[in-house]
Amino acid sequence: QSLLTQSPSVSAAPRQKVTISCSGSSSNIGNNYVSWFQQLPGTAPKLLIYDNNKRPSGIPDRYSGSKSGTSATLDITGLLTGDEADYYCGTWDSSLSAWVFGGGTKLTVL
Amino acid sequence: QVQLVESGGGVVQPGRSLRLSCAGSGFRFSHYGIHWVRQAPGKGLEWVALISYDGSHQYYADSVKGRFTISRDNSENTVYLQMNSLRAEDTAVYYCARDLLGYWGDYWGQGTLVTVSS
Repeated sequence: QSLLTQSPSVSAAPRQKVTISCSGSSSNIGNNYVSWFQQLPGTAPKLLIYDNNKRPSGIPDRYSGSKSGTSATLDITGLLTGDEADYYCGTWDSSLSAWVFGGGTKLTVL
Repeated sequence: QVQLVESGGGVVQPGRSLRLSCAGSGFRFSHYGIHWVRQAPGKGLEWVALISYDGSHQYYADSVKGRFTISRDNSENTVYLQMNSLRAEDTAVYYCARDLLGYWGDYWGQGTLVTVSS
């Protein structure tokens, strides 16, 4: 059981917006930066968001992240069929001195 | 261009050992920490270990602590993951990714499959 809780799945129609949530605790999300990763089928993960809300070069602004207290969210607007993937939140856990990932959320674009 | 290439995966019996390598190129390898992350078949991502840029600090997931050892040779631009006392639940694709002072995951390797089975 992961220390970071994500809904197993979410779905939305093309061009709509979806929000993926990630819930943790004070030892992880509450006191550390959150990252979000996208994993397309059969490929390595890809960094979408770091430091809660920053996008690496080349990541479109359709992807945005935020954090409040011990929860974080990833918003994806203007959904494309190519956004169908698994999305993982992750952060450092200060109590464990280890990185932790959420269980992942599978996004289906209907 | 930046590249990370994992190698060393394969089929190994429970209780045996295996050493994975992560070779970096196209960037100043000695300035970056390296993470290992694994993914069991059909499962989510599991962080495994992290080594600092100079090898002075190592961090491990509880699930591998005491069995796995991460190390690096900056003269060879390579990080190693020595995996001992392997279990069936260690079966996974193992990825490495680079880390610059906490900013990590911008580049990943393609992964190497480890199968622990008798």
